[in-house]
Amino acid sequence: GAGVSQSPRYKVAKRGQDVALRCDPISGHVSLFWYQQALGQGPEFLTYFQNEAQLDKSGLPSDRFFAERPEGSVSTLKIQRTQQEDSAVYLCASSPLWGNQPQHFGDGTRLSIL
Amino acid sequence: DQQVKQNSPSLSVQEGRISILNCDYTNSMFDYFLWYKKYPAEGPTFLISISSIKDKNEDGRFTVFLNKSAKHLSLHIVPSQPGDSAVYFCAARNTGKLIFGQGTTLQVKP
Repeated sequence: GAGVSQSPRYKVAKRGQDVALRCDPISGHVSLFWYQQALGQGPEFLTYFQNEAQLDKSGLPSDRFFAERPEGSVSTLKIQRTQQEDSAVYLCASSPLWGNQPQHFGDGTRLSIL
Repeated sequence: DQQVKQNSPSLSVQEGRISILNCDYTNSMFDYFLWYKKYPAEGPTFLISISSIKDKNEDGRFTVFLNKSAKHLSLHIVPSQPGDSAVYFCAARNTGKLIFGQGTTLQVKP
């Protein structure tokens, strides 16, 4: 498909485990964003990449959260030593670089920490 | 500090009538506004957007209005259809990232 692809769709982990979430953006999209959505809330910004450069990581809630996009396409969001409060849906979005272009979202990864 | 607010958690309208969803914001630096529609277990789907230099944008049954002096955004859906039933999020852009409201659940009754 031509849309943003995220995997896995669902992830269950025990508290203290590390998890890695993957995002495949739309081909050719320079900008890539990660958001966190808690139940009943709107998505909240985590971090932003332009190609391989992480330009904004102001939304990452703690140093347990780490994101990378080493070749400027696929991105991975890693959460170390997971806590129960990390349970949420993690959404990835991509967009072209210039102009008023909307961000297009994947279907997200639902993370549950037991 | 909620920079983007959707004060109505839910809205119910009859099929064929107009649906009006509202959104207020506080940051005058927002330069681009968007509406997304979301079904359960899916990601938000882009619906319509408007630049801060415009006051209206129309796309088929969907029209977005921007009142910059009031810092208010609205989405009109005419006529409403049962398939429009979903959660609607408004979002505002600041330095690339989007700030979202809490969402409004729209139910369109046949």
